[in-house]
Amino acid sequence: AQSVTQLDSQVPVFEEAPVELRCNYSSSVSVYLFWYVQYPNQGLQLLLKYLSGSTLVKGINGFEAEFNKSQTSFHLRKPSVHISDTAEYFCAVSDHDSNYKLTFGKGTLLTVNP
Amino acid sequence: SAVISQKPSRDICQRGTSLTIQCQVDSQVTMMFWYRQQPGQSLTLIATANQGSEATYESGFVIDKFPISRPNLTFSTLTVSNMSPEDSSIYLCSVLIGGGEAFFGQGTRLTVV
Repeated sequence: AQSVTQLDSQVPVFEEAPVELRCNYSSSVSVYLFWYVQYPNQGLQLLLKYLSGSTLVKGINGFEAEFNKSQTSFHLRKPSVHISDTAEYFCAVSDHDSNYKLTFGKGTLLTVNP
Repeated sequence: SAVISQKPSRDICQRGTSLTIQCQVDSQVTMMFWYRQQPGQSLTLIATANQGSEATYESGFVIDKFPISRPNLTFSTLTVSNMSPEDSSIYLCSVLIGGGEAFFGQGTRLTVV
């Protein structure tokens, strides 16, 4: 069975500061990893994904994440955040054995303050 | 990518009634999923809906409460039956595109009073 742990439920930062949202996963097989963003009163939007290949993945809006197999982590980073990045961020994992069903973490609320 | 349209976008329903949520995709997809997001919570998978077969439900979800139809490769419905206030949630449709990437609809915000 697979699981996802997002270590921080809330992350407050100031505008233009760097941010890292942490995600650890557990799975017995090779995984696909995703970060989704949910803006207030909206659906989910894919930020980035790791399916295979390079462990450093770049996504939309200046976000990137690094897949670390030995540490079973997929932390999300952005070097300089904007007010508009305020949202809920979900890490998710899927794999072939689970028929590609997504298992989500509990989410991290990123609040960017002026 | 895929464009997913969900209807209705929101509804307020009386307890004891049922609501059917529609999910329309702009391309043919094999695998569709229905998720629930309770207030302030993460997403939980309700069921997997594949065309031509019965939906597969996750632990804690049953067909009598959440019947699903999948008549073709671009459409699915989820019904929330005999609703109670505990069913107040966002319900999201998701499709799987080749390579393991999932796309989501905008969700249906359901409030049961």
